[in-house]
Amino acid sequence: DTEVTQTPKHLVMGMTNKKSLKCEQHMGHRAMYWYKQKAKKPPELMFVYSYEKLSINESVPSRFSPECPNSSLLNLHLHALQPEDSALYLCASSQEGSPGHLYGYTFGSGTRLTVV
Amino acid sequence: DQQVKQNSPSLSVQEGRISILNCDYTNSMFDYFLWYKKYPAEGPTFLISISSIKDKNEDGRFTVFLNKSAKHLSLHIVPSQPGDSAVYFCAGWDYTDKLIFGTGTRLQVFP
Repeated sequence: DTEVTQTPKHLVMGMTNKKSLKCEQHMGHRAMYWYKQKAKKPPELMFVYSYEKLSINESVPSRFSPECPNSSLLNLHLHALQPEDSALYLCASSQEGSPGHLYGYTFGSGTRLTVV
Repeated sequence: DQQVKQNSPSLSVQEGRISILNCDYTNSMFDYFLWYKKYPAEGPTFLISISSIKDKNEDGRFTVFLNKSAKHLSLHIVPSQPGDSAVYFCAGWDYTDKLIFGTGTRLQVFP
């Protein structure tokens, strides 16, 4: 299995809703990431998990809450989002160390989030 | 501060010709550089990488060149095919172990 699977593919939520994005990989990668991508912009790093521990939080607002229940799963819990949070949310994973640098990340297909 | 820059937002090339996508960087600490390809509504797909100790890496129709003195890398696609039409991002690993992406170049290959 060489894929990162993200669900749902599309999500529309109101500003008072609570929802979760899910990400799963079975490649044995111990680093997992959440990225946000707006139209015509590069992916923007949000969070990094290394060995199931949060290692990087790029000053993301607390309305985004990541969770790593185990080495294969990564969640992003959403609450009280704003319309400007509408974007493509990408999950990725990679090997640790130099092999990860050589091959980079494996990305999922993303969740297209619309906040209304 | 944009550490990785792709100054051409778009490129149009005829099928069968060479596509050259360029990327400049400012961070001398990058140890690997990567190219990703992205179709609309999909995640980026890893294409090819190069170590900072090399100046060329080739994989089929794709070749990446690195000029460390100029802090410049380029991706050559030969021959270009319509299926290559996508957005291409270059990226580098920084010293904090984060992958830094460029702004992307939209390649269109026409018949």
